[in-house]
This record gives sequence, C-alpha cells and structure tokens, in this order.
Amino acid sequence: EAGVTQFPSHSVIEKGQTVTLRCDPISGHDNLYWYRRVMGKEIKFLLHFVKESKQDESGMPNNRFLAERTGGTYSTLKVQPAELEDSGVYFCASSQGLAGGQNEQFFGPGTRLTVL
Amino acid sequence: AQSVTQPDIHITVSEGASLELRCNYSYGATPYLFWYVQSPGQGLQLLLKYFSGDTLVQGIKGFEAEFKRSQSSFNLRKPSVHWSDAAEYFCAVGAPTNAGKSTFGDGTTLTVKP
Repeated sequence: EAGVTQFPSHSVIEKGQTVTLRCDPISGHDNLYWYRRVMGKEIKFLLHFVKESKQDESGMPNNRFLAERTGGTYSTLKVQPAELEDSGVYFCASSQGLAGGQNEQFFGPGTRLTVL
Repeated sequence: AQSVTQPDIHITVSEGASLELRCNYSYGATPYLFWYVQSPGQGLQLLLKYFSGDTLVQGIKGFEAEFKRSQSSFNLRKPSVHWSDAAEYFCAVGAPTNAGKSTFGDGTTLTVKP
C-alpha cells in the first residue's frame, strides 16, 4: 500500500512568485491535514479536510495561502504571492474515519520550500 | 491553549546506552499524547500514543513512554539504543475532540555514537 506522497520534495522560488504543493493521501483516507515547520521550530497545524470539505482552517497564516481538495482525493496548497517567512517544510498527513485521535495519522515526507 | 515543550534540542548517546527524551505538555484536561520519529528524507512515523488507561505505553522499535499527570510529562524511553535510532523525535498533544489537530514540540535530535 502506498503511503502519503508529496510533490515536489523541494521547491526554491523567489519572493512574489506562486508555488503549489501537492499531497496525495493514502487511498480511502477521508481526513487530510497540512502542517508546516518553519526554521526548525515546532510543526504547526495549518488545516484539516474531511473529504473535500475544510473542517478546520484555523492554522492558515493568512489569505496568501489557499488549500483545496478536489473530489476528496489529493490536496493542493497554493502560496501566492510567496514571502520570505513562508520558507519551511510543509507536511501532509492523512487518517481514516471520523476526525478523532483514535485514528493514526500517516505523514508524508514533506515539501521543503525555500523563498529567496 | 495546548502546548508542548521538549527541553532538549540535541542529545547524544552511545550505542547500547539507555535513552530518555523529555516531553512536557500543557492542556486543560487529559490529552491525547504522541511520539513521532522522523528519519532523514522520511515522513513522521508514529512510535506510540496514549489516550487512556495504563500510563506506561509500549510502542514500536522497542520504545516506551510513561504518562505522568502530576508532572504533565510524557517522556520517551528505550533501554538500549541502536545506531538506527538516530533521528529527530517529536512529542505531540492532541485534543480528544480532534487529535488530528496536534500541537508539536520543537523536536529533539538524537545522535548515536558508535
């Protein structure tokens, strides 16, 4: 069974450009989460999808970030325009069933974003 | 608001020695608690979790952790470290209503000396 995959693994862009990160969850997982780790600090929650609906987007930093999950399958996270402070590692995770702690989250390897 | 503190940024132990990684949390009720490990180029892997019941939980790869409510701690232990355990370790806390929205510590990097 394939795990959570993320694309690209690395992205280097200039300030002001647009970048789109993609996450493919484990097949059949309704829950999809985005997290971000900036400057080696803690991993912070960004948002949570249940199927195609945004369950919780309280962690999204500002309106330059837009997440979508078309058809409840893969998800994209777009940053437009990118700023220097957006640099970091973006993780995606998925889990089965109802949104609750009983279900193990499976994490992808992350996308390392560098904004110059 | 919930928070997690991992006091040790970097720990070095010799192969075969015992290991304890510290984690302190802040949460208003009994939280869900997790330890993850991240090896280079890999995603976070769940080592173990505590939801309720026995406060000593066993995980994969020979790891265990003990929940101590009085100390708000959830320290990770391993009796004998292997070179392959070198990685970054994250403690996380989740609210029972939605533990998917976890709060992570800053991580502890473990180096294993031969």
